[in-house]
Amino acid sequence: GENVEQHPSTLSVQEGDSAVIKCTYSDSASNYFPWYKQELGKRPQLIIDIRSNVGEKKDQRIAVTLNKTAKHFSLHITETQPEDSAVYFCAASNTGNQFYFGTGTSLTVIP
Amino acid sequence: DADVTQTPRNRITKTGKRIMLECSQTKGHDRMYWYRQDPGLGLRLIYYSFDVKDINKGEISDGYSVSRQAQAKFSLSLESAIPNQTALYFCATSDRRTSGRAHTGELFFGEGSRLTVL
Repeated sequence: GENVEQHPSTLSVQEGDSAVIKCTYSDSASNYFPWYKQELGKRPQLIIDIRSNVGEKKDQRIAVTLNKTAKHFSLHITETQPEDSAVYFCAASNTGNQFYFGTGTSLTVIP
Repeated sequence: DADVTQTPRNRITKTGKRIMLECSQTKGHDRMYWYRQDPGLGLRLIYYSFDVKDINKGEISDGYSVSRQAQAKFSLSLESAIPNQTALYFCATSDRRTSGRAHTGELFFGEGSRLTVL
């Protein structure tokens, strides 16, 4: 089965700085890579996703990059704000069937 | 708003007891999932179902069973609960159907059920 590794497990940044979270996957058949944000005490929610036919996708302050050859993908958050503080999960999926999640990154944005 | 609802939200039980966590959804989605969340371990798939007659084991199905009673209902059972099943459990749904564009694959999670086994 698929194995998704995520780093770092914790990340602290100053408000306004950028944050980068990295994930690797093992199954070359995976073709869909979503990122979920989980605020404290809340349910995970999708914030951005990328498919294997695209190398980069942006949505305002967040972007995701994918390197299929190296089997890794990353989440980039620019101009971080306190409300970005949360746990972020990457995931990998083959055609939206099973989703395999990383172990999560706890991001703290320091005002 | 269409949603995914889990009951109970919190449950404390004792070792050996049978526990059922229930999930219902009004999103009209065909796919339903049960995940377990533990600190430092992320979200791990227990079981998933793509329609009423389809049940599949996930990564960590041992000690769990499920029932898809209807398109909108998917329940998770712990036949004989043990302390290491103490965790936060999430139900999720997704929509296989396309609507003029590629299937998004987005998972919609319930609010979670926190289970403590003493």
